Amino acid sequence: EAQVTQNPRYLITVTGKKLTVTCSQNMNHEYMSWYRQDPGLGLRQIYYSMNVEVTDKGDVPEGYKVSRKEKRNFPLILESPSPNQTSLYFCASSLTPRGDTEAFFGQGTRLTVV
Amino acid sequence: TQLLEQSPQFLSIQEGENLTVYCNSSSVFSSLQWYRQEPGEGPVLLVTVVTGGEVKKLKRLTFQFGDARKDSSLHITAAQPGDTGLYLCAGRNTNAGKSTFGDGTTLTVKP
Repeated sequence: EAQVTQNPRYLITVTGKKLTVTCSQNMNHEYMSWYRQDPGLGLRQIYYSMNVEVTDKGDVPEGYKVSRKEKRNFPLILESPSPNQTSLYFCASSLTPRGDTEAFFGQGTRLTVV
Repeated sequence: TQLLEQSPQFLSIQEGENLTVYCNSSSVFSSLQWYRQEPGEGPVLLVTVVTGGEVKKLKRLTFQFGDARKDSSLHITAAQPGDTGLYLCAGRNTNAGKSTFGDGTTLTVKP
């Protein structure tokens, strides 16, 4: 089944403790992206990747890192999480970076930083 | 930063009514997508529009892309409780990785 898989689905952590949210897609998609979703703010793009070893900042990259060492995986790294990073996070992938190709979303990771 | 403004933010209607959701920007997009999101799930693509003036229909849903490719609308005819959800518009530019989402419209259709 074609899908984007995020782990974990839920995470509670403490301020400053490094964490990684994994994202994997099995569709051989070139383009992958991370978003955060907060009430009343829609989805805001954190980072995106046009292909392996190619990453770039979205609108809200501060406090996050990503890597794209292989096509299927695009982990999101929070080196020193803070409470304002409490949010619902989504990973998405699409066949190409072109906006007319469908983006498939993972089921989300709800992160709480205390 | 490109912005997409969606209106209304919340909409509560009775089953059988019609409704329109708007997505407006001062920027031009090469394509615009509409998604529907249910609680606890990721957004699911409904449609992509790429040509100015384009109209696409998906059963009771009609999507339109403005002539100048700066705005779009979603019209639902005879809404049903199963249409309840968060509707999101998203704009992209050709081969550019940045993606801009509207703030969403929360639709509730009461039986």
